[in-house]
Amino acid sequence: GDSVTQMEGPVTLSEEAFLTINCTYTATGYPSLFWYVQYPGEGLQLLLKATKADDKGSNKGFEATYRKETTSFHLEKGSVQVSDSAVYFCALSSGGTSYGKLTFGQGTILTVHP
Amino acid sequence: DAGITQSPRYKITETGRQVTLMCHQTWSHSYMFWYRQDLGHGLRLIYYSAAADITDKGEVPDGYVVSRSKTENFPLTLESATRSQTSVYFCASSEAPTGELFFGEGSRLTVL
Repeated sequence: GDSVTQMEGPVTLSEEAFLTINCTYTATGYPSLFWYVQYPGEGLQLLLKATKADDKGSNKGFEATYRKETTSFHLEKGSVQVSDSAVYFCALSSGGTSYGKLTFGQGTILTVHP
Repeated sequence: DAGITQSPRYKITETGRQVTLMCHQTWSHSYMFWYRQDLGHGLRLIYYSAAADITDKGEVPDGYVVSRSKTENFPLTLESATRSQTSVYFCASSEAPTGELFFGEGSRLTVL
């Protein structure tokens, strides 16, 4: 079945540092890939997505590129802020008859210090 | 206000009791989902629904029951709560089967 693996956390960075959170996946067919973010005490919200190979999703300074050859969708940001402190989830949707169901990774806790 | 709301936000119950978590969305989205969030597991799908009166099991459905008589409501019932069902439960909805979900704020359930 489908699965998503994220790098182990938590990740602690200083403000303006470069961020990478690794994500790899296993899926049949051609899934869509997502990054969701969860701020403290809130539900998840979509951060960015990519629907086909070589697509780059971007939002709020975050980027991720759909790499089919390495089955990866790593999240990057060039300069993090304290306000980026949150839990980040990589997820995939298999499409077809999946009804848009998402399979999530374990989540990575990011803490950014001033 | 438009959106997706869950109730209660916090609930403490005892083993063996029945508990219902409510989910209401105002967008008339066709697709609705229930996930549970546990440390080390991320979010796991319990049940989902493609439309009113159409529901199906997800990855971890045992011990849960859902219904969807109206498009806007998707309640989740624990018929006889167990300690292993202590978790944070998230309801989500989407307009189309694209994987772009809108999540509620979650319901934290503790089973003693």
